[in-house]
Amino acid sequence: AQSVTQLGSHVSVSEGALVLLRCNYSSSVPPYLFWYVQYPNQGLQLLLKYTTGATLVKGINGFEAEFKKSETSFHLTKPSAHMSDAAEYFCAVSDPFRAGTASKLTFGTGTRLQVTL
Amino acid sequence: NAGVMQNPRHLVRRRGQEARLRCSPMKGHSHVYWYRQLPEEGLKFMVYLQKENIIDESGMPKERFSAEFPKEGPSILRIQQVVRGDSAAYFCASSPGGINEKLFFGSGTQLSVL
Repeated sequence: AQSVTQLGSHVSVSEGALVLLRCNYSSSVPPYLFWYVQYPNQGLQLLLKYTTGATLVKGINGFEAEFKKSETSFHLTKPSAHMSDAAEYFCAVSDPFRAGTASKLTFGTGTRLQVTL
Repeated sequence: NAGVMQNPRHLVRRRGQEARLRCSPMKGHSHVYWYRQLPEEGLKFMVYLQKENIIDESGMPKERFSAEFPKEGPSILRIQQVVRGDSAAYFCASSPGGINEKLFFGSGTQLSVL
């Protein structure tokens, strides 16, 4: 079974400050890892994903995440926060080795990012 | 190319009524996933369907919930005899299939049970 833990249900940063959202996972096989963003009253949008290869993954809107196998982590970062980054962020994992489950995601409970002036 | 369309956006039902949630996948997508998001929680997988087939329903409650994805028309998530605990946001996602395919999410249906 897979699971995802997101530390901190709420994170508040000042505009221009570093954004760091934490995600740790548990998986018995090398997983695929994802970060999604959810703006109010909208569906989830994919920010970035890790499948194989380079462990530092760059996504949209200046976000990036690094897969660290030894730490079972996939933390999301952005050097400088924008007001428009305020949203809910979800980390997710999938098992690419089971037939039909590559797109079946297990989500964390989410981190709400607040950006202040 | 329209995105994943879900309707209605908001659905209010009284306890004991039936709720029908619809999801039209993106054009060319034959794989549909339903997720449920309870307040203050992440999304939980419910069911994975391909055209006319249920592939994985391991996340569906054993009673009152059913899903279909007919050859023609949208995917339907049906909840019979709703209870207050069914109140949640229900999201549909679609993909064209194949390993490593990206999921595209709809805007969800917010079900409120009075």
